[in-house]
Amino acid sequence: DAGVTQSPTHLIKTRGQQVTLRCSPKSGHDTVSWYQQALGQGPQFIFQYYEEEERQRGNFPDRFSGHQFPNYSSELNVNALLLGDSALYLCASSLAMVPYGYTFGSGTRLTVV
Amino acid sequence: GNSVTQMEGPVTLSEEAFLTINCTYTATGYPSLFWYVQYPGEGLQLLLKATKADDKGSNKGFEATYRKETTSFHLEKGSVQVSDSAVYFCALSTTGGGNKLTFGTGTQLKVEL
Repeated sequence: DAGVTQSPTHLIKTRGQQVTLRCSPKSGHDTVSWYQQALGQGPQFIFQYYEEEERQRGNFPDRFSGHQFPNYSSELNVNALLLGDSALYLCASSLAMVPYGYTFGSGTRLTVV
Repeated sequence: GNSVTQMEGPVTLSEEAFLTINCTYTATGYPSLFWYVQYPGEGLQLLLKATKADDKGSNKGFEATYRKETTSFHLEKGSVQVSDSAVYFCALSTTGGGNKLTFGTGTQLKVEL
């Protein structure tokens, strides 16, 4: 049974560019959450998607946006990249009716230069 | 708002030593508490959880007790192994907070022979 799959695993972008990260949730899961983990820090909640809508949002600017598709997969988009956006971006999937049952992916390492 | 405070690392122990990693929290409502582990280059794995006061979570020799009176959830293991070397994150979530996870900054554990 595949867990959470994230792509790409690594990428390097230039300041001001835009980036799209992708996440396929664990089979049977319908909710996707995104977290940003800066180096040496704990993950910070960005937002959560359920039924193709953003249900919750953390303290992140509008440059961060997302989408969930009918097959429950999700994308995280970041516009106008800043050096401070360099981080590990983690996707976590869960089943909406079963809180706390999060499965995390291995993350996408984004470096902004 | 919700917050989690962990003891700073790195924590360096000899194999078979006793481990304690302190975690305290501040939360509105009645949180559920978690310990996650992150091995190098990987995402987060749930180690154990406790959903109400006085509950003890346990897994793979690790355990933690939800202490409401001291707002703590300290992680312990009686005898660590080299394979336990990783970063450990304490986290909480609240139903009122939409079940999103709030993490501490993490504690790196190094176990030496």
